[in-house]
This record gives sequence, structure tokens and C-alpha cells, in this order.
Amino acid sequence: AQSVTQLDSQVPVFEEAPVELRCNYSSSVSVYLFWYVQYPNQGLQLLLKYLSGSTLVKGINGFEAEFNKSQTSFHLRKPSVHISDTAEYFCAVSTTGIGTASKLTFGTGTRLQVTL
Amino acid sequence: NAGVTQTPKFRILKIGQSMTLQCTQDMNHNYMYWYRQDPGMGLKLIYYSVGAGITDKGEVPNGYNVSRSTTEDFPLRLELAAPSQTSVYFCASARGQREAFFGQGTRLTVV
Repeated sequence: AQSVTQLDSQVPVFEEAPVELRCNYSSSVSVYLFWYVQYPNQGLQLLLKYLSGSTLVKGINGFEAEFNKSQTSFHLRKPSVHISDTAEYFCAVSTTGIGTASKLTFGTGTRLQVTL
Repeated sequence: NAGVTQTPKFRILKIGQSMTLQCTQDMNHNYMYWYRQDPGMGLKLIYYSVGAGITDKGEVPNGYNVSRSTTEDFPLRLELAAPSQTSVYFCASARGQREAFFGQGTRLTVV
């Protein structure tokens, strides 16, 4: 079974500063990886995804993430954050493979708080 | 385009009552999921389905039931509501193991 760990429950950062939100996963088979964002009182919205190919993936709102297979990580980065990036961010994993009834498993989330 | 639609958006239940949370999607996705979200706990998978007629338990299935008679619909049933089921419930759908699309959620309070 796969699992996801988001080590930071909260990350405070000043506006225009860079940010990295950490995500590590565990799986015995190949994976698909995702980052979702949740604004207050809303559902989850996909930020970016890694399915295959280039390990550096770019998403919406200037976010990017890098898949590191050897370190089983998929950290999310943004070079300069804005107040509007304040939200909850979730890392998620599903497994690949023919015939695999894969479940989409989420981490516990990281609250990004951007201040002036 | 509607995507994933959940009803109701809010509900208050008394202990021991039952209800069904409705979820429907119009994207012809084979995978559908039900999650619950509690503060600081992320999303916990309740049940999921890989196609019509096929369902399976997730991490926290106790107290819930599901059915998947059509591709579009995946209702979640609470038979005997308990305070521990107070939560925000999200339905999602996906094409295979790829990215999931989420509904806006149902906020349920059991008193």
C-alpha cells in the first residue's frame, strides 16, 4: 500500500519570498504524484501532476515540483509567493500498473500562510 | 460543464438518523471516491469504485455504505449517524489512476 508524508503542517512565509512544501511518499510500485490546493470552504483543485517523463513539472499559479525517485520525494516550490497563495496544500499519490485498482492517497496537508 | 456535483452542501443530523450524500459526475470517469476531511487530518478515503458494480473499502469505511449502479452516480449512505461522523465529505472522480476532480463538499454535523 502507498502512503504520503507531509512533514510540515504549517509554513509561514513573507510575500515575494520563495517557498518549498515537502512531500515524501512510500510505494512498492511505480507512482503517479499530485499536488492539490484547497482555498477556504472550497473543494480541491489540481495544481500539478507527475505521470511520466520529465521529473520537473510545472503547474498553475507559478508552482513547480520535482519528482525524485531515489529520495521518494515530490516537493512543491514557488520562487515568489503572493498573498493569494495562502491556502492548504495536499500531496497525493496513486499507483500505476495494469490491473491495479489504485487508490488516490493524500497526505495530511500543509497550511501555507503568506503575510506582508 | 458540471463536473462533480455533490448534494446537499450542508446538513445537520440527529444521532441515529440516516441519510444519503449524493454524488454525480458527467465526465464518464470510471473511478469515483468518497473522502472525509477533518481538521489537521487531511483526507481519509472512505470508499472507492473502479467502475459500475465495483466498490471497495478505503481507510475508514465503518458506519458507511456505497453503491455504484451507474457510471455517473456514487451515493454514500450513513445508516446510524454518530457524532464521530461530523466532518466535511468530498466526492471525486478520475479517469483511471490519473488526476481526480472534486466536488465542492458536504458539511455534515451530527448532534
